[in-house]
Order: sequence, then C-alpha cells, then structure tokens
Amino acid sequence: AQSVAQPEDQVNVAEGNPLTVKCTYSVSGNPYLFWYVQYPNRGLQFLLKYITGDNLVKGSYGFEAEFNKSQTSFHLKKPSALVSDSALYFCAVTFKNAGNMLTFGGGTRLMVKP
Amino acid sequence: GAVVSQHPSRVICKSGTSVKIECRSLDFQATTMFWYRQFPKQSLMLMATSNEGSKATYEQGVEKDKFLINHASLTLSTLTVTSAHPEDSSFYICSASDTSGVLVDTQYFGPGTRLTVL
Repeated sequence: AQSVAQPEDQVNVAEGNPLTVKCTYSVSGNPYLFWYVQYPNRGLQFLLKYITGDNLVKGSYGFEAEFNKSQTSFHLKKPSALVSDSALYFCAVTFKNAGNMLTFGGGTRLMVKP
Repeated sequence: GAVVSQHPSRVICKSGTSVKIECRSLDFQATTMFWYRQFPKQSLMLMATSNEGSKATYEQGVEKDKFLINHASLTLSTLTVTSAHPEDSSFYICSASDTSGVLVDTQYFGPGTRLTVL
C-alpha cells in the first residue's frame, strides 16, 4: 500500500526567506509524486510533478521539489517566500498502473509573515 | 489549459432533499474523474473513481446508493447526494485526468462545492 507523510502540520517563515515543506512517501515500485496547493474554500491547484528524469523539478510560482530516492522524500522548496504563498500544501503519490489514483498526505499549512 | 469547473460552488439544502453537483473538464477529455470529500482542516478523502461510460468504483465505506455518480461524457461527471442529511455537509471536490496517454497524467481539480444541509 502506498502512503504519504507530511510531518509538519504548519510551517512558518518570514517573507523573503527560503521555505521548505517536507514530504516522504512509501510506494511499491517507482513513485509518481505531486505537489498541490489549496487556498481557502478552493480546490487544489497543481504545482509540479515528478515522473522520471531530473530529480529537481521546477513548477509554478517559483516552486521546486527534489526527488530523493534513497530518503524517499520529495520536499517542496522556494528560494524566497511571498505572503501570497500562504496556503495549504498537499503532497501526493501514485505509481504506474495505479489508474492515476492519488494518495494524499495530510497537508501542511504554510504561513508567510511580512 | 487543464481547467476543471464545478457547479454550484455553494449549496444549502434542507434535510431529505437531493443535490446534484456537476464537474466539467473545459479544455481536455477527462477519461477518468474522481470525487473527493474534505472535512475542515483535513486532507482529501477519495469517495469514488469514475471512467467515462462505465460505473463508478466506490471506496470502502462510501454508500453508492447515497452518492450517485454519473460520467456520461468525456467532459462531464455528476455527483448526486440523495436524501441529504446534516452529516453530509462537507466540501466536495472533483478532479479529472486524461488517462488515455502512455504516461501517468496529472489530476486537475475543480474549485470545490460547499454543501450545507440544514
């Protein structure tokens, strides 16, 4: 069975500082990994995904994530946080032949303070 | 591209009535659509998966007779909450993907529907 862990319920960072939102996963076979962002009372917006290729994936709004197979991690990063980045972030995993079914982490609330 | 719409965005109904929520993929063909439920400050709970033209597959614990899902076309899926009760109040989110490709494709999410049952 596949699973995703986001160990931090909330991450606080000052505007302009780098941010990291952590994600670790467990899946049989090669993982397909995703990050989504959710603003209040809205659906999820796709940020980026890792399927294969370069371990460092660049996505929307200046976000990037690094796939680390040995640590089974896919942490989300941004060099300089904006107040508007404050939202709920979800990491998700699936794998080939899973019918595109995602397993989500519990979510991490990112608070960027001016 | 890859826009998914949901309608209505918010609905309030009386207990015992039925509510239909529409999910549309606007610029791609959604061979597979997913319906999720999200409780406050919690992650998404998958309710069911539907493939165009076939019956939906429900997750364990989800009543298929209560949550009717229809995926009649490649751009539209509907979720009908039948005989709604206050405990059905929640945020319902759909997503759509095109799984006809060789690679795993991304799920694109609708904006969600806030259902309140009085």
